[in-house]
Amino acid sequence: GESVGLHLPTLSVQEGDNSIINCAYSNSASDYFIWYKQESGKGPQFIIDIRSNMDKRQGQRVTVLLNKTVKHLSLQIAATQPGDSAVYFCAEKEAGTALIFGKGTTLSVSS
Amino acid sequence: EAGVVQSPRYKIIEKKQPVAFWCNPISGHNTLYWYLQNLGQGPELLIRYENEEAVDDSQLPKDRFSAERLKGVDSTLKIQPAELGDSAVYLCASSLEPNLRNEQFFGPGTRLTVL
Repeated sequence: GESVGLHLPTLSVQEGDNSIINCAYSNSASDYFIWYKQESGKGPQFIIDIRSNMDKRQGQRVTVLLNKTVKHLSLQIAATQPGDSAVYFCAEKEAGTALIFGKGTTLSVSS
Repeated sequence: EAGVVQSPRYKIIEKKQPVAFWCNPISGHNTLYWYLQNLGQGPELLIRYENEEAVDDSQLPKDRFSAERLKGVDSTLKIQPAELGDSAVYLCASSLEPNLRNEQFFGPGTRLTVL
């Protein structure tokens, strides 16, 4: 089925704005969802995760929302900073199986 | 604490040549992963080790790719012979399992260019 949020390959925001990055996942049996940040020339870096029995989890300046009904995941970044510029990937995982990464979104923050 | 170390960072070879990548995981991490990342795409798992044992190699093209993790620490990934389509970034990651956060720590990757 269709996901509520549209996946955008790129997102451009002004410094200080809030950013929302969307992701649609495919496996209804996935029980962990993770957001990674990947800067140029580096490997992905863990940001935040959420279990399937939750619908919201907050970290420092980041919030992850999970909508299992439409298999949609989002990452909200508050007060976006230039250092947040990177490619963001969502990943899903079913217990005992490997991480499956989604399509990345390139976030560009201008000051 | 040192992160996951990979070498070389860049490698350019001609097609049909062999190539090898090396990974040193975070000290104490029992699980090691090799991923392939094509440009603009997310990483795709090639193989996962728990200590010395390869527990998931279903996505590893075994006709040309091989990997080993002797002594359950460092690992090497080899391609022989390389093809043009193998050009990509090869990422190594490690984790300490069981891991409630499902957190894997990635190295910087090796960017392979096959000419």
